[in-house]
Amino acid sequence: SYDLTQPPSVSVSPGQTATITCSGDKLGNRYTSWYQQKPGQSPVLVIFQDNKRPSGIPERFSGSNSGNTATLTISGTQGLDEADYYCQAWDSRTFVTFGGGTKLTVL
Amino acid sequence: QVQLQESGPGLVKPSETLSLTCTVSGGTISSPSYYWAWIRQPPGKGLESIGGIYHSGTTFYKPSLKSRVTISVETPKNQFSLKLRFVTAADTAVYYCARLDSSGPLPTYIDVWGKGTTVTVSS
Repeated sequence: SYDLTQPPSVSVSPGQTATITCSGDKLGNRYTSWYQQKPGQSPVLVIFQDNKRPSGIPERFSGSNSGNTATLTISGTQGLDEADYYCQAWDSRTFVTFGGGTKLTVL
Repeated sequence: QVQLQESGPGLVKPSETLSLTCTVSGGTISSPSYYWAWIRQPPGKGLESIGGIYHSGTTFYKPSLKSRVTISVETPKNQFSLKLRFVTAADTAVYYCARLDSSGPLPTYIDVWGKGTTVTVSS
């Protein structure tokens, strides 16, 4: 099976940069997407195809993907960015594959 | 603006079949650019893909669930459905339907999610 690994939690101070990683075998050869999920809500796409932002997603969200690691970066993190974040990629055997999720805490 | 709405029973008995339907509004399920998928999230846990379907009927299923899952599409009603057989307590989760972009050579990202429906497996 194809697995994506994320850190369970990341903490950041308001205004600082938050970095969330997602690791998988040769992940850089696949498109990676990122979703934000707040309690009791459906996930929201924040980055697709490694580094593209959907309409309405603030510029402080950015993404990159190379080698075995994809990264979601949130610059100037705000309190409203506190949420769970999931990476996702497509694999020919496991199809839609999600990472385990990272809880972002803005202290 | 495409919207997805899940519907179905919120309580299913162990060993029975979970059946959910997703209604697509504001767009057509026959679009060649999308797969239509089911995702679930057990209480306090992460997202898990169940499977998906193209308007032509082509399906994909998570390997560990494949023996118990059927996803079908009803184009005239602009709906797709999930059946999960022989459920146990481990199948208790919020079930989401979703739209998966497949405008490129491979499906890549989910751009529309339903609000989710909670299904509890209990006698």
